[in-house]
Amino acid sequence: EDQVTQSPEALRLQEGESSSLNCSYTVSGLRGLFWYRQDPGKGPEFLFTLYSAGEEKEKERLKATLTKKESFLHITAPKPEDSATYLCAVQAGTYKYIFGTGTRLKVLA
Amino acid sequence: DAEITQSPRHKITETGRQVTLACHQTWNHNNMFWYRQDLGHGLRLIHYSYGVQDTNKGEVSDGYSVSRSNTEDLPLTLESAASSQTSVYFCASSDDYGYTFGSGTRLTVV
Repeated sequence: EDQVTQSPEALRLQEGESSSLNCSYTVSGLRGLFWYRQDPGKGPEFLFTLYSAGEEKEKERLKATLTKKESFLHITAPKPEDSATYLCAVQAGTYKYIFGTGTRLKVLA
Repeated sequence: DAEITQSPRHKITETGRQVTLACHQTWNHNNMFWYRQDLGHGLRLIHYSYGVQDTNKGEVSDGYSVSRSNTEDLPLTLESAASSQTSVYFCASSDDYGYTFGSGTRLTVV
């Protein structure tokens, strides 16, 4: 069964304290792995797409990496405005996406 | 700028009533989706459409229907609202590079 698991469920960091979020997946025929950011009361906002093991993408303080079984979202020197829920999704079919339940990140000033 | 809009933002309805949630996108995307988001379940696919006159069931489609008469709109109808359908509903559209989501509709069924 296709599945996506994110950990931890929640994470509290001090401003400047780097860390990583994990997204592990089991899917037959991965077509892509997506990271989204979701702020309270809003829809998810696209961050990255990764297609193959070894691929990396960066945007400001965020860096996403992909292996054959998991993806990491590394947050370097986070700021309070990075506080949000981060969602991972895998594309398992033409337009079939499976979402994880997210990691709620809180960055304290 | 292109956008995807959902209406209403909040809705309270009674059990048994028919409810329609609107979704309108100006991205000219062929693919449109409806998800519901509940604590502990993440986003779950309700229905999706690959183009005009095309509709398909997702993993939690019971009690919901959609129709696609043009590229821009994919309304979601709850035939007879139930308390289990209290949730936040997100519409999305996509090209080959991922989804663009609307801001969501919070539906409460009392």
